[in-house]
Amino acid sequence: SQTIHQWPATLVQPVGSPLSLECTVEGTSNPNLYWYRQAAGRGLQLLFYSVGIGQISSEVPQNLSASRPQDRQFILSSKKLLLSDSGFYLCAWISLGLYNEQFFGPGTRLTVL
Amino acid sequence: LAKTTQPISMDSYEGQEVNITCSHNNIATNDYITWYQQFPSQGPRFIIQGYKTKVTNEVASLFIPADRKSSTLSLPRVSLSDTAVYYCLVENQGGKLIFGQGTELSVKP
Repeated sequence: SQTIHQWPATLVQPVGSPLSLECTVEGTSNPNLYWYRQAAGRGLQLLFYSVGIGQISSEVPQNLSASRPQDRQFILSSKKLLLSDSGFYLCAWISLGLYNEQFFGPGTRLTVL
Repeated sequence: LAKTTQPISMDSYEGQEVNITCSHNNIATNDYITWYQQFPSQGPRFIIQGYKTKVTNEVASLFIPADRKSSTLSLPRVSLSDTAVYYCLVENQGGKLIFGQGTELSVKP
């Protein structure tokens, strides 16, 4: 079965510090991968998505970046965090078949102080 | 990408049937309609997906009229545990998936 991992679960960082969130998927190959951010408990904002290694599409201009160094690894980074980067970050992959079902990881709660 | 519009919130009582309607006026021929459920501090969970007419599973039903410009998620006999945010998505082939603001359903005893 497929599993998606995210870490860390929670993170508190000062403004201006760097960020690295990691997401890995097990049990599937060549998945489409996604990073979302959810602020104030509502509305998932799509940040990045990737259809393959090294292929990243950015949806929102900001101080975040994403990389996909391996088929089942997706990393979200920032060189300098802003207060507005606080939120709940979710990684997801999609299963394309009878149903195009998106599976989400457990999420990372980021607080920037 | 087709934009979706849903009510911001809905209230219901235990045991009632709840219908949440989503508008997607510029849906494309190849687009599917998918609904997700999200509880606080968790990622969304797939509920149901359809292309046209009616789809039913053990959790919900999805009604899609012939013009496909809207869809209705039907939750039979809701319970307190159905209190959550429900999102409607229109997507094609699993590319860029955009979530709207969703509908916050509150089920009361």
